[in-house]
Amino acid sequence: ETGVTQSPTHLIKTRGQQVTLRCSSQSGHNTVSWYQQALGQGPQFIFQYYREEENGRGNFPPRFSGLQFPNYSSELNVNALELDDSALYLCASSSSRGPETQYFGPGTRLLVL
Amino acid sequence: QKEVEQNSGPLSVPEGAIASLNCTYSDRGSQSFFWYRQYSGKSPELIMSIYSNGDKEDGRFTAQLNKASQYVSLLIRDSQPSDSATYLCALERLGGSARQLTFGSGTQLTVLP
Repeated sequence: ETGVTQSPTHLIKTRGQQVTLRCSSQSGHNTVSWYQQALGQGPQFIFQYYREEENGRGNFPPRFSGLQFPNYSSELNVNALELDDSALYLCASSSSRGPETQYFGPGTRLLVL
Repeated sequence: QKEVEQNSGPLSVPEGAIASLNCTYSDRGSQSFFWYRQYSGKSPELIMSIYSNGDKEDGRFTAQLNKASQYVSLLIRDSQPSDSATYLCALERLGGSARQLTFGSGTQLTVLP
């Protein structure tokens, strides 16, 4: 167990809807990264938050947005859901002061119908 | 060319044998390398990190890095059925504000009893 938690564990939405996924980082970690993992693929970097600001983004459209709160927890929001958004969404936390190893939460499995 | 290439497998080895997993990468700016294990339906779990050329051993696992050849590998000695999983190779590039991981698609390993 990494100490990173995510909610919900599973979610079913329909195309066009909006979804919010949540992540609590490991104690002592101030950086949260979000990844999308499609079936049979490796995780792809969506964005990273540090001190409540987005400080890096992968190749994802603006309808993917996020927040980080003062307690370092984070949200991933996806608007106008598309069928291809169906994936496992992973949150990873790390510490900017120590080794940059990222520890993953259990993930949220999103199905878009 | 993908940034991180792994043989998708499946790779099957008998119990007690050495499993050898390989990964090549294209970006010479990559500085940190990681092996994650992912059981079916679960999130990635960090096994090893390696930053310098050479070998790094941790129990039954040995990571090998050759930056000149842009090659990183993972050896699993005395393979056990519980090692059956998908193994993800990841790299982290320094520079820029976000420390993002770039993953390969993973190699599926099956250890046969």
